[in-house]
Amino acid sequence: EIVMTQSPATLSVSPGETVTLSCRASQSISNNLAWYQQKPGQAPRLLMSGVSIRATGIPARFSGSGSGTEFTLTISSLQSEDFAIYYCQQSFHWPPWTFGQGTKVEI
Amino acid sequence: EVQLVESGGGLVQTGGSLRLSCEASGFPFSFYPMNWVRQAPGKGLEWISYISSGSHDMYYADSVKGRFTVSRDNAKNSVHLQMNSLRVEDTAVYYCARYGGGNSVYWGQGTLVTVSS
Repeated sequence: EIVMTQSPATLSVSPGETVTLSCRASQSISNNLAWYQQKPGQAPRLLMSGVSIRATGIPARFSGSGSGTEFTLTISSLQSEDFAIYYCQQSFHWPPWTFGQGTKVEI
Repeated sequence: EVQLVESGGGLVQTGGSLRLSCEASGFPFSFYPMNWVRQAPGKGLEWISYISSGSHDMYYADSVKGRFTVSRDNAKNSVHLQMNSLRVEDTAVYYCARYGGGNSVYWGQGTLVTVSS
Protein backbone atom coordinates (compact mmCIF):
# COMPACT_ATOMS: atom_id res chain seq x y z
CA GLU A 1 0.00 0.00 0.00
CA ILE A 2 1.28 3.44 -0.90
CA VAL A 3 1.38 5.78 2.08
CA MET A 4 0.73 9.46 1.45
CA THR A 5 2.18 11.97 3.91
CA GLN A 6 1.16 15.61 3.95
CA SER A 7 2.90 18.52 5.60
CA PRO A 8 2.39 20.60 7.51
CA ALA A 9 -0.69 19.46 9.41
CA THR A 10 -1.84 23.05 9.83
CA LEU A 11 -0.94 26.27 8.06
CA SER A 12 -1.86 29.58 9.64
CA VAL A 13 -1.98 32.28 7.00
CA SER A 14 -3.63 35.57 6.11
CA PRO A 15 -5.80 36.39 3.12
CA GLY A 16 -3.73 37.49 0.17
CA GLU A 17 -0.76 35.33 1.05
CA THR A 18 0.59 32.49 -1.07
CA VAL A 19 0.72 29.06 0.52
CA THR A 20 2.40 25.82 -0.46
CA LEU A 21 1.16 22.46 0.74
CA SER A 22 3.31 19.36 0.45
CA CYS A 23 2.47 15.74 -0.21
CA ARG A 24 4.92 12.85 -0.29
CA ALA A 25 4.32 9.33 -1.53
CA SER A 26 6.08 6.32 -0.01
CA GLN A 27 7.05 5.20 -3.52
CA SER A 28 6.90 6.71 -6.96
CA ILE A 29 3.38 7.37 -8.22
CA SER A 30 4.42 9.09 -11.46
CA ASN A 31 1.84 11.86 -11.98
CA ASN A 32 -1.13 10.01 -10.52
CA LEU A 33 -1.85 12.54 -7.81
CA ALA A 34 -5.03 14.44 -7.03
CA TRP A 35 -5.89 17.16 -4.55
CA TYR A 36 -9.23 17.63 -2.82
CA GLN A 37 -10.59 20.53 -0.80
CA GLN A 38 -12.99 20.04 2.09
CA LYS A 39 -14.77 22.78 3.98
CA PRO A 40 -16.48 22.18 7.34
CA GLY A 41 -19.70 20.22 7.01
CA GLN A 42 -19.21 19.69 3.29
CA ALA A 43 -18.18 16.84 1.08
CA PRO A 44 -14.71 16.93 -0.42
CA ARG A 45 -14.34 18.55 -3.82
CA LEU A 46 -11.83 17.54 -6.48
CA LEU A 47 -9.42 20.40 -7.08
CA MET A 48 -6.69 18.91 -9.21
CA SER A 49 -5.92 15.66 -10.98
CA GLY A 50 -2.85 14.41 -12.78
CA VAL A 51 -0.79 16.65 -10.46
CA SER A 52 -1.63 19.91 -12.20
CA ILE A 53 -4.92 19.66 -14.12
CA ARG A 54 -7.51 21.84 -12.47
CA ALA A 55 -10.99 20.41 -12.17
CA THR A 56 -13.94 22.24 -13.68
CA GLY A 57 -14.55 25.57 -12.05
CA ILE A 58 -11.35 25.65 -10.00
CA PRO A 59 -9.72 29.08 -10.21
CA ALA A 60 -6.25 29.60 -11.64
CA ARG A 61 -4.84 30.63 -8.26
CA PHE A 62 -4.65 26.91 -7.51
CA SER A 63 -1.67 25.17 -9.08
CA GLY A 64 -0.03 21.80 -8.63
CA SER A 65 3.43 20.50 -9.33
CA GLY A 66 5.73 17.56 -8.73
CA SER A 67 6.29 14.03 -9.91
CA GLY A 68 7.46 10.73 -8.55
CA THR A 69 7.19 11.07 -4.80
CA GLU A 70 7.13 14.81 -4.06
CA PHE A 71 4.19 17.04 -4.86
CA THR A 72 2.97 20.52 -3.98
CA LEU A 73 -0.25 22.43 -4.13
CA THR A 74 0.17 26.18 -4.30
CA ILE A 75 -2.61 28.63 -3.59
CA SER A 76 -1.76 32.14 -4.71
CA SER A 77 -3.37 35.21 -3.20
CA LEU A 78 -5.41 33.23 -0.69
CA GLN A 79 -9.10 34.12 -0.58
CA SER A 80 -11.40 33.71 2.41
CA GLU A 81 -13.18 30.82 0.70
CA ASP A 82 -9.89 28.91 0.45
CA PHE A 83 -9.67 28.23 4.17
CA ALA A 84 -10.29 24.51 4.30
CA ILE A 85 -8.62 21.14 4.64
CA TYR A 86 -6.72 19.84 1.64
CA TYR A 87 -6.09 16.17 0.94
CA CYS A 88 -3.83 14.54 -1.61
CA GLN A 89 -4.66 11.11 -3.04
CA GLN A 90 -2.73 8.68 -5.21
CA SER A 91 -4.21 6.62 -8.02
CA PHE A 92 -1.06 4.94 -9.30
CA HIS A 93 -1.23 1.67 -7.44
CA TRP A 94 -4.70 0.53 -6.49
CA PRO A 95 -6.55 -0.76 -4.70
CA PRO A 96 -6.40 0.86 -2.28
CA TRP A 97 -6.60 4.46 -3.39
CA THR A 98 -4.88 6.23 -0.50
CA PHE A 99 -5.22 9.72 0.89
CA GLY A 100 -2.87 11.88 2.87
CA GLN A 101 -3.96 12.86 6.35
CA GLY A 102 -4.78 16.41 5.25
CA THR A 103 -3.45 19.93 5.70
CA LYS A 104 -5.68 22.48 7.35
CA VAL A 105 -5.31 26.02 6.03
CA GLU A 106 -6.57 28.41 8.67
CA ILE A 107 -6.50 32.08 9.39
CA GLU B 1 -26.01 18.63 -13.10
CA VAL B 2 -24.42 15.63 -11.45
CA GLN B 3 -26.15 14.70 -8.22
CA LEU B 4 -25.39 11.93 -5.76
CA VAL B 5 -27.65 11.44 -2.77
CA GLU B 6 -26.76 8.98 -0.03
CA SER B 7 -29.25 7.49 2.39
CA GLY B 8 -29.53 4.70 4.90
CA GLY B 9 -27.25 5.92 7.64
CA GLY B 10 -28.20 5.86 11.27
CA LEU B 11 -27.46 4.48 14.70
CA VAL B 12 -26.74 0.78 15.04
CA GLN B 13 -25.25 -1.41 17.74
CA THR B 14 -21.98 -3.24 17.45
CA GLY B 15 -22.42 -6.33 15.31
CA GLY B 16 -25.42 -4.93 13.51
CA SER B 17 -26.02 -4.22 9.85
CA LEU B 18 -26.93 -1.28 7.67
CA ARG B 19 -27.46 -0.84 3.96
CA LEU B 20 -26.43 2.45 2.45
CA SER B 21 -27.78 3.63 -0.87
CA CYS B 22 -26.65 6.29 -3.28
CA GLU B 23 -28.95 7.54 -5.99
CA ALA B 24 -27.35 9.20 -8.97
CA SER B 25 -28.68 11.63 -11.53
CA GLY B 26 -27.43 14.03 -14.16
CA PHE B 27 -25.06 11.67 -15.91
CA PRO B 28 -25.12 8.24 -17.64
CA PHE B 29 -24.73 6.22 -14.46
CA SER B 30 -24.11 2.88 -16.15
CA PHE B 31 -20.93 4.21 -17.77
CA TYR B 32 -19.13 5.08 -14.54
CA PRO B 33 -17.48 3.14 -11.75
CA MET B 34 -18.36 4.30 -8.28
CA ASN B 35 -16.45 4.63 -5.02
CA TRP B 36 -17.42 4.69 -1.38
CA VAL B 37 -15.23 6.82 0.86
CA ARG B 38 -15.70 7.37 4.57
CA GLN B 39 -14.58 9.92 7.11
CA ALA B 40 -14.56 9.21 10.83
CA PRO B 41 -15.43 12.18 13.07
CA GLY B 42 -12.58 14.69 12.99
CA LYS B 43 -10.45 12.40 10.84
CA GLY B 44 -9.31 12.19 7.25
CA LEU B 45 -10.67 10.42 4.20
CA GLU B 46 -10.54 6.66 3.77
CA TRP B 47 -11.42 4.90 0.51
CA ILE B 48 -13.37 1.75 1.32
CA SER B 49 -14.94 0.33 -1.83
CA TYR B 50 -15.03 0.49 -5.63
CA ILE B 51 -17.41 -1.06 -8.12
CA SER B 52 -16.90 -1.02 -11.86
CA SER B 53 -19.57 0.20 -14.24
CA GLY B 54 -20.83 -3.26 -15.04
CA SER B 55 -20.25 -4.73 -11.58
CA HIS B 56 -17.51 -7.00 -12.90
CA ASP B 57 -14.86 -5.63 -10.54
CA MET B 58 -15.30 -4.82 -6.88
CA TYR B 59 -12.57 -3.84 -4.46
CA TYR B 60 -12.52 -3.23 -0.73
CA ALA B 61 -10.20 -1.73 1.82
CA ASP B 62 -8.71 -4.29 4.19
CA SER B 63 -10.58 -2.59 7.04
CA VAL B 64 -13.96 -3.64 5.62
CA LYS B 65 -13.15 -6.69 3.52
CA GLY B 66 -15.39 -9.62 4.34
CA ARG B 67 -17.91 -7.42 6.15
CA PHE B 68 -19.03 -4.90 3.52
CA THR B 69 -20.46 -5.66 0.08
CA VAL B 70 -20.90 -3.16 -2.72
CA SER B 71 -23.49 -3.56 -5.45
CA ARG B 72 -25.21 -1.44 -8.04
CA ASP B 73 -28.41 -1.36 -10.04
CA ASN B 74 -27.80 0.44 -13.31
CA ALA B 75 -31.49 0.34 -14.17
CA LYS B 76 -32.22 2.36 -11.05
CA ASN B 77 -29.09 4.54 -11.13
CA SER B 78 -28.12 3.45 -7.69
CA VAL B 79 -25.20 1.95 -5.81
CA HIS B 80 -25.42 0.27 -2.44
CA LEU B 81 -23.13 -0.66 0.41
CA GLN B 82 -24.24 -3.53 2.62
CA MET B 83 -22.42 -3.25 5.94
CA ASN B 84 -22.45 -6.22 8.28
CA SER B 85 -20.72 -6.97 11.57
CA LEU B 86 -20.38 -3.29 12.26
CA ARG B 87 -17.77 -2.08 14.69
CA VAL B 88 -17.39 1.11 16.69
CA GLU B 89 -14.53 2.09 14.37
CA ASP B 90 -16.93 2.04 11.40
CA THR B 91 -18.55 5.20 12.77
CA ALA B 92 -18.13 7.76 10.01
CA VAL B 93 -19.76 9.83 7.33
CA TYR B 94 -20.01 7.65 4.24
CA TYR B 95 -19.75 9.29 0.84
CA CYS B 96 -20.44 7.83 -2.55
CA ALA B 97 -18.45 9.33 -5.37
CA ARG B 98 -18.34 9.01 -9.12
CA TYR B 99 -15.03 7.62 -10.24
CA GLY B 100 -13.10 9.01 -13.15
CA GLY B 101 -9.46 8.92 -14.20
CA GLY B 102 -8.41 7.40 -10.90
CA ASN B 103 -10.17 9.97 -8.81
CA SER B 104 -13.46 10.62 -7.06
CA VAL B 105 -14.72 13.40 -9.25
CA TYR B 106 -18.20 14.06 -7.87
CA TRP B 107 -19.29 13.40 -4.31
CA GLY B 108 -22.59 13.10 -2.50
CA GLN B 109 -23.28 14.98 0.70
CA GLY B 110 -22.67 11.90 2.82
CA THR B 111 -24.67 9.86 5.31
CA LEU B 112 -23.67 9.39 8.93
CA VAL B 113 -23.30 5.93 10.39
CA THR B 114 -22.91 5.67 14.15
CA VAL B 115 -22.04 2.34 15.71
CA SER B 116 -22.50 2.17 19.46
CA SER B 117 -21.33 -0.43 21.91
